[in-house]
Amino acid sequence: DQQVKQNSPSLSVQEGRISILNCDYTNSMFDYFLWYKKYPAEGPTFLISISSIKDKNEDGRFTVFLNKSAKHLSLHIVPSQPGDSAVYFCAAKTQGGSEKLVFGKGTKLTVNP
Amino acid sequence: DTGVSQDPRHKITKRGQNVTFRCDPISEHNRLYWYRQTLGQGPEFLTYFQNEAQLEKSRLLSDRFSAERPKGSFSTLEIQRTEQGDSAMYLCASTASGTAEQYFGPGTRLTVT
Repeated sequence: DQQVKQNSPSLSVQEGRISILNCDYTNSMFDYFLWYKKYPAEGPTFLISISSIKDKNEDGRFTVFLNKSAKHLSLHIVPSQPGDSAVYFCAAKTQGGSEKLVFGKGTKLTVNP
Repeated sequence: DTGVSQDPRHKITKRGQNVTFRCDPISEHNRLYWYRQTLGQGPEFLTYFQNEAQLEKSRLLSDRFSAERPKGSFSTLEIQRTEQGDSAMYLCASTASGTAEQYFGPGTRLTVT
């Protein structure tokens, strides 16, 4: 059972425009949500996170929005740059115990010059 | 400290052989995680250490897999009698207690022929 879903395997945008990556989850007990960026042959790099008690977190060009009632979050990148081209993973942190991360399958973002 | 390191970066082995991977976490991090990533999937949790204690194991971790973290510093993941289905990227991550963000190493790519 996929507790974290990224339904778009790929997304292509023009440089300078907004990139919106989406993520849905099913488990109401997740207490933090995180976005990671991954280049080929490298490990995931932490990008931005949001607590389940917030609805928005912003860091430079990156903003994450959380809609708890819809169990949906999104990552906005404005403006998009060619260096943003990578696979983006949405992850959710379980509460208590190991606090392991549960990942979606990823969305491959391509930013065209 | 430059982050989480993993060794080797690549390992090719024949079916039935044993392999061992090493992870050196960020020095002040007491929590260490192992994940496995296969093609087209996000990382999947394998096991978790708090200091030297292994506190959680996924059902993905068959009895051919064993992990240790002696003295609460580096960790090793051993796979005995490797199978072709073990081919994957093995990722290590670390974090400090009370922190949601996990920081990943570059991974070890295992190919079982």
